[in-house]
Amino acid sequence: AQTVTQSQPEMSVQEAETVTLSCTYDTSESDYYLFWYKQPPSRQMILVIRQEAYKQQNATENRFSVNFQKAAKSFSLKISDSQLGDAAMYFCAYRSPGGRGAQKLVFGQGTRLTINP
Amino acid sequence: IAGITQAPTSQILAAGRRMTLRCTQDMRHNAMYWYRQDLGLGLRLIHYSNTAGTTGKGEVPDGYSVSRANTDDFPLTLASAVPSQTSVYFCASSLDRLSTEAFFGQGTRLTVV
Repeated sequence: AQTVTQSQPEMSVQEAETVTLSCTYDTSESDYYLFWYKQPPSRQMILVIRQEAYKQQNATENRFSVNFQKAAKSFSLKISDSQLGDAAMYFCAYRSPGGRGAQKLVFGQGTRLTINP
Repeated sequence: IAGITQAPTSQILAAGRRMTLRCTQDMRHNAMYWYRQDLGLGLRLIHYSNTAGTTGKGEVPDGYSVSRANTDDFPLTLASAVPSQTSVYFCASSLDRLSTEAFFGQGTRLTVV
């Protein structure tokens, strides 16, 4: 079974600076999807960025980018020019590409990010 | 506005009582999911449905049941609530079971006392 580990329960960063959230995963599959979700105090789960394992290029969405190291099974999220609105719980998630059963997302434990003004 | 609606938003429930959490989506998504979120554990899959009329067990199904009578609705029932079921529950959907993007409801905070 796949597992996702976020080893940083909490992180903090000064506004306008850059922060990197760590995520590692364990799988025997060669093709899969990885995600970062943001959960602000409103509880809403918001998709931040997605990475297909077969793509070598790291995904980027505006100030959010990932460092995907497939061999190391690492998928970190970099937030540049941090803003107060970035404060949230961030979840890393893994998804298998297909097959039978539920195509469930496997989530990490979450990292709570605080932005200091 | 298209999306997923969960009800209630929050609930305090006496142990031993029966409770149904409601989930409705208007996106005509085939696949639907129920997750529970617990501090330090992330979100874990309770039950899922790949299409109307079918359901399956996830990672933590004990004490919960689901039904999928139609495409739009996917209720989660706690037959006899216990304090360990205190959690935040999220309903999610995706176009089909192979879709990469899942859409989440706003969650239901359930406290069992």
